[in-house]
Amino acid sequence: EDQVTQSPEALRLQEGESSSLNCSYTVSGLRGLFWYRQDPGKGPEFLFTLYSAGEEKEKERLKATLTKKESFLHITAPKPEDSATYLCAVTVSGNTGKLIFGQGTTLQVKP
Amino acid sequence: SAVISQKPSRDICQRGTSLTIQCQVDSQVTMMFWYRQQPGQSLTLIATANQGSEATYESGFVIDKFPISRPNLTFSTLTVSNMSPEDSSIYLCSVADGVPEAFFGQGTRLTVV
Repeated sequence: EDQVTQSPEALRLQEGESSSLNCSYTVSGLRGLFWYRQDPGKGPEFLFTLYSAGEEKEKERLKATLTKKESFLHITAPKPEDSATYLCAVTVSGNTGKLIFGQGTTLQVKP
Repeated sequence: SAVISQKPSRDICQRGTSLTIQCQVDSQVTMMFWYRQQPGQSLTLIATANQGSEATYESGFVIDKFPISRPNLTFSTLTVSNMSPEDSSIYLCSVADGVPEAFFGQGTRLTVV
């Protein structure tokens, strides 16, 4: 069965304290791995797509990486506005747009 | 990316009643999906809304409980039927159009009392 697991469930950081979120996956035929940001009361906001092991994507203070078994979302020198739930999702071959989500990591950045 | 609008944004409903949620996209899209996010949980796919034919439901979801319409390439509705408190969730519409990633609407927060 295709599965996505994120850790930790919750993370508290001081402003400027860098860290990483983990997303491990077990799927049959990965087509893409996605990172989303979700603020309370809103729908998920797309951040990155990663397709193959070794790929990296960056956006401001966020950097996503992918291996054959897991992905990391690195947050460098976070700010309070980075506080949100970060969701990892995968899609498998032949299932365009159908996503399997992890449970998410809720990040709180304190000033 | 497409702009996705959902109505209503939130509602409080009596048990035993039904609620229809609308999803409008500002451009024609190939794929439309409906997800559920239960309190404190992640997103689970309910069904794929197919234009001009019946929706394709995921395991654990049935048409009688969650009837879906998709009359054209920019619009879809999800009805939550005969509601119970366990149906209290956020319901999200998403679209994908020729790319693997999906984009989401703001969601409909449903509370059943």
